[in-house]
Amino acid sequence: AQSVTQPDIHITVSEGASLELRCNYSYGATPYLFWYVQSPGQGLQLLLKYFSGDTLVQGIKGFEAEFKRSQSSFNLRKPSVHWSDAAEYFCAVGAFNNDMRFGAGTRLTVKP
Amino acid sequence: GAVVSQHPSRVICKSGTSVKIECRSLDFQATTMFWYRQFPKQSLMLMATSNEGSKATYEQGVEKDKFLINHASLTLSTLTVTSAHPEDSSFYICSASQGGQFTYEQYFGPGTRLTVT
Repeated sequence: AQSVTQPDIHITVSEGASLELRCNYSYGATPYLFWYVQSPGQGLQLLLKYFSGDTLVQGIKGFEAEFKRSQSSFNLRKPSVHWSDAAEYFCAVGAFNNDMRFGAGTRLTVKP
Repeated sequence: GAVVSQHPSRVICKSGTSVKIECRSLDFQATTMFWYRQFPKQSLMLMATSNEGSKATYEQGVEKDKFLINHASLTLSTLTVTSAHPEDSSFYICSASQGGQFTYEQYFGPGTRLTVT
């Protein structure tokens, strides 16, 4: 079965600084990769997804992620963080049978 | 498009009672629906997968007699927590998949906060 590792439990960045959230996956076949954001007490909002094609994926809210097969990674980036980006971020990997597994999440704090 | 709703958003029930949570796909037909559980400051854990008209498939360790899932139509799935206890208090999130070329994408509901007193 597939699995996802998000090595950073909590990250703090200053507003305006760049951001990179790490995600590593384990899956024997071509992965379907997702990044979601969750605000406190809310459901999940899809930021971006990778199914195939261009390995650099653009998402909403200025986020992008790059799929690197050789490193089994799908890191999320944003060039300039806004205070409203403070939230919990989840990386997920999906399989052909609809099975989706989530990482443990990374909590982002934005300093003024 | 691809909106999923959950009702109620919050529910408080007494220990020993049952509570039903509804998950609806508002603008698409969901061939598959999923139920997740999320403990505070933790990730989502898949509880079960249900296909319309079929019995749900439960993940290992999830009590199917306690968490009853019904997927009676292509737009509605329900999760009933039977004889709820305080340890069942959690955030329950459903998701839905359209199938076909969209099989690999799930659309998530806003979640239901269950508190058992």
